[in-house]
Amino acid sequence: GAGVSQTPSNKVTEKGKYVELRCDPISGHTALYWYRQSLGQGPEFLIYFQGTGAADDSGLPNDRFFAVRPEGSVSTLKIQRTERGDSAVYLCASSPDRGFAETQYFGPGTRLLVL
Amino acid sequence: AQSVTQLGSHVSVSEGALVLLRCNYSSSVPPYLFWYVQYPNQGLQLLLKYTSAATLVKGINGFEAEFKKSETSFHLTKPSAHMSDAAEYFCAVIKNTGNQFYFGTGTSLTVIP
Repeated sequence: GAGVSQTPSNKVTEKGKYVELRCDPISGHTALYWYRQSLGQGPEFLIYFQGTGAADDSGLPNDRFFAVRPEGSVSTLKIQRTERGDSAVYLCASSPDRGFAETQYFGPGTRLLVL
Repeated sequence: AQSVTQLGSHVSVSEGALVLLRCNYSSSVPPYLFWYVQYPNQGLQLLLKYTSAATLVKGINGFEAEFKKSETSFHLTKPSAHMSDAAEYFCAVIKNTGNQFYFGTGTSLTVIP
């Protein structure tokens, strides 16, 4: 079946602009995660959804970052007033969340460059 | 707090040689540990995971890892490297109060023909 998809694959924007990054999880997966991967680093957790609600948003760096999942499927990560330091690859993952330590399936990521 | 440390940001091995990628964890409780691989321009793919069952875990593509509590380690090995193994490898641990991963900084594996 189809894996996790993310759009766009690349996004270039100017400092101060607003961007939206989209994630389509694997069908039927109730859990969805956003991570950010900076150059030379491992992915860092941003936010976790269980269904429509954000179960844990402790990884969001500041209030410029926001994510939604209104129907419990597709999720959008929104970044306001982008800064050059936001440049990174944004990864989305989903899991069936049948229990603890479920395998997370990752999308290819969106590479964001803020000029 | 739970975290993982990957020793060696770059590892080079000859084709056919043993692959050993190191991962140490810090945890106050038995952890759940994972190894993921990231090929260029692709998403992270699960290699294997340890969830407190057998301490020797076999994964895909001939990789395996052994959980050693006494050494707080979960090193990844493969007996014979193949050119297609060249990629970035990440060790990760599950936070014990949630399901988000904490990833190491990664090890880039180069296979020399």
